[in-house]
Amino acid sequence: KNEVEQSPQNLTAQEGEFITINCSYSVGISALHWLQQHPGGGIVSLFMLSSGKKKHGRLIATINIQEKHSSLHITASHPRDSAVYICAVPYTGNQFYFGTGTSLTVIP
Amino acid sequence: DVKVTQSSRYLVKRTGEKVFLECVQDMDHENMFWYRQDPGLGLRLIYFSYDVKMKEKGDIPEGYSVSREKKERFSLILESASTNQTSMYLCASSHGAVTEAFFGQGTRLTVV
Repeated sequence: KNEVEQSPQNLTAQEGEFITINCSYSVGISALHWLQQHPGGGIVSLFMLSSGKKKHGRLIATINIQEKHSSLHITASHPRDSAVYICAVPYTGNQFYFGTGTSLTVIP
Repeated sequence: DVKVTQSSRYLVKRTGEKVFLECVQDMDHENMFWYRQDPGLGLRLIYFSYDVKMKEKGDIPEGYSVSREKKERFSLILESASTNQTSMYLCASSHGAVTEAFFGQGTRLTVV
């Protein structure tokens, strides 16, 4: 049983396309994190959100607490957006459940 | 610029060797974590620490131990490396679960 489910697992898009990655979770949360992992391994935090929507450049994250669902959108996708995107939710105060990640490839 | 630094990007070790993976953070975070990441399995928690000299087992602690003698440093130890411990290892730190977690660049360990 996975507390955090992501879809799709793999995604290939043409440069310029609008991309959506989905995350559903089954636990009660106070906040949800979107992480980005580039080839080579390092992970960076993109967003932490507890309600509504956040925007950073071409990235938009939304969350619906009642439906236990979050989406990460990338507008005007670019090859440098190619990465693994991971959804994470906290539990027991200082640990995280992680989704298995969505591997995005943007083709020029 | 906040930073979590892992001592090595790539390591190759022999079966049976004792392996140390080091992680240092400069944010005065209480919480530090060690994860391993494998294809199709995502990030799995090995151990975490919420204070100096404190440690808690995660989901997959078997074959590993940890040490946290100073707040900024969290070490992962493979007592006797085995080939099934070949993986990407990621260290992270946080002030708390509601705040951001900051990750190191990862150590890709190969045990031969």
